[in-house]
Amino acid sequence: DAGVTQSPTHLIKTRGQQVTLRCSPKSGHDTVSWYQQALGQGPQFIFQYYEEEERQRGNFPDRFSGHQFPNYSSELNVNALLLGDSALYLCASSLNINYEQYFGPGTRLTVT
Amino acid sequence: GQQLNQSPQSMFIQEGEDVSMNCTSSSIFNTWLWYKQDPGEGPVLLIALYKAGELTSNGRLTAQFGITRKDSFLNISASIPSDVGIYFCAGLTSGTYKYIFGTGTRLKVLA
Repeated sequence: DAGVTQSPTHLIKTRGQQVTLRCSPKSGHDTVSWYQQALGQGPQFIFQYYEEEERQRGNFPDRFSGHQFPNYSSELNVNALLLGDSALYLCASSLNINYEQYFGPGTRLTVT
Repeated sequence: GQQLNQSPQSMFIQEGEDVSMNCTSSSIFNTWLWYKQDPGEGPVLLIALYKAGELTSNGRLTAQFGITRKDSFLNISASIPSDVGIYFCAGLTSGTYKYIFGTGTRLKVLA
């Protein structure tokens, strides 16, 4: 039973660039949530996707956008990168009727 | 961003000791999740709680959903070296899909 997978593992970008992170949910799950985790902090909710639509959004600017595909996988896009966007980006999947969220290993983004 | 208060912030314990930590909020939650995170990895789900007063165990771990619905507790019995890590609580309020995470409790076990 495959768990949540994320790619890439690490990424280094320059300020102003754009980045796309990818997530494949746990087998059987249909809902994907994205979180940003700064060093020494708990994860912060970015948004959640269900049925290929953004269902809820956290306090993140429009530079953060996402997409969910028919196979339930998801992408997180960040435009006009800032130094402050450096963080571990986590994807969590769940089954819509169940509130248990399972996390992937994360993508470490460094903006220089 | 918004975070729940977890205490203690960090703790050093001897192997074999029991551990208690808690998570508190001024808001009411309908679901509590407890996670463990190792450095550079994603959080691993330990226990899920859905009802006020509920007590749920997972091996040596026991978690409780506070009666007021504003807090939750996690206990680890007979700690072992692999219990080292950061423990996070996460709460979900009614009518939302947004989990709010705690500030974390960093646990270190001395052999």
